[in-house]
Amino acid sequence: DAGITQSPRHKVTETGTPVTLRCHQTENHRYMYWYRQDPGHGLRLIHYSYGVKDTDKGEVSDGYSVSRSKTEDFLLTLESATSSQTSVYFCAINRGLNNSPLHFGNGTRLTVT
Amino acid sequence: RKEVEQDPGPFNVPEGATVAFNCTYSNSASQSFFWYRQDCRKEPKLLMSVYSSGNEDGRFTAQLNRASQYISLLIRDSKLSDSATYLCVVNRGGNQFYFGTGTSLTVIP
Repeated sequence: DAGITQSPRHKVTETGTPVTLRCHQTENHRYMYWYRQDPGHGLRLIHYSYGVKDTDKGEVSDGYSVSRSKTEDFLLTLESATSSQTSVYFCAINRGLNNSPLHFGNGTRLTVT
Repeated sequence: RKEVEQDPGPFNVPEGATVAFNCTYSNSASQSFFWYRQDCRKEPKLLMSVYSSGNEDGRFTAQLNRASQYISLLIRDSKLSDSATYLCVVNRGGNQFYFGTGTSLTVIP
């Protein structure tokens, strides 16, 4: 296993509430990513980080923010959750070398009611 | 046009069969290629990287055709435990990873 832990594993929340998902790695990898996976869409990039305090937007970043204050932690926040954000969220890490693959955490299943 | 396209299947094959999946990518500048396996309600796990000359890992063979912009995965002697969704992933360099929507495989006893 690549040493990535996501928390919580499952979350049910109400529309309009803030939610924070956590990704923790023990690999000291520079690159960390947040993806969401929905039927028919595959995995889509929300935000990624290329170092402490260095983050950038992905394909579906609206409604999400991230923070990375330590190498090992990458937080994803839904400022005001909506039902369209019901999804499975995966964190991934990458060594940042040419041809290096992504390694995924075990996912967070989020339901917004 | 999608960056990466896969036939979603489902592929239902008997044990012992050989099955092949293809994945096409749209950007000729794509640099690295991977196959992942995803079990139901689990995270994607790296099955194998795909190298230009093709590569094999046990019963699994991956091929890359840059001219036609596709990669393939061949599974020989299918096992029940091979039942999963197989994701094609293409990296265009840096942080640009693109995912297919996956091909579902069920191996039938």
